[in-house]
Amino acid sequence: EIVLTQSPGTLSLSPGERATLSCRASQSVSSNYLAWYQQKPGQAPRLLIYGASSRAAGIPDRFSGSGSGTDFTLTISRLEPEDFAVYYCQQYGTSPLTFGGGTKVEI
Amino acid sequence: QVQLQESGPGLVKPSETLSLTCTVSGGSISSFHWSWIRQPPGKGLEWIGYIYYSGNTDYNPSLKSRVTISVDTSKNQFSLKLISVTAADTAVYYCARWVGHFDFWGQGSLVTVSS
Repeated sequence: EIVLTQSPGTLSLSPGERATLSCRASQSVSSNYLAWYQQKPGQAPRLLIYGASSRAAGIPDRFSGSGSGTDFTLTISRLEPEDFAVYYCQQYGTSPLTFGGGTKVEI
Repeated sequence: QVQLQESGPGLVKPSETLSLTCTVSGGSISSFHWSWIRQPPGKGLEWIGYIYYSGNTDYNPSLKSRVTISVDTSKNQFSLKLISVTAADTAVYYCARWVGHFDFWGQGSLVTVSS
């Protein structure tokens, strides 16, 4: 199975700052089938990015995804107070589908 | 807007069977794949498996021997059965629509395995 390693585990930033989250795969992700989700306490994950760089419906353009092969990045250009949450990457190119361990973005 | 809602017992005894149902509203269950994902308290997400509306399935090998996912298109529902549960199966269980990525999610259902 493809193992996804997210770094850092925790990112401590202030509103207005830029956040850069990394997701590294143990082998190449087929067709860049890589998604990013945001999860807040007590809530289900919310889809942000799919296909490595396509924003899901209703997602603000301060969220962007990039990367290919084994290295992917989620960037939040200017953090808003509501962006402090846990972020997960997920690959869907190869079964079994797998998630990264998550990056917590905290104030 | 598609909405999903999990339902089922919140407490299951060790060695027994965990059963959950996901009801889909705001759209037909046909022509899509539907999935179960779980999250132990304070931990990350684990994909359990998915089913196509026609009945084809794929499961996570780590759970395959214990899992069955089924679909009832007449009720717009799909279901999860996990046999021989232990405390390690305690988690929030989510149902979601799978289009490669997971675009619509239920709110989640906490299932605790305890005697």
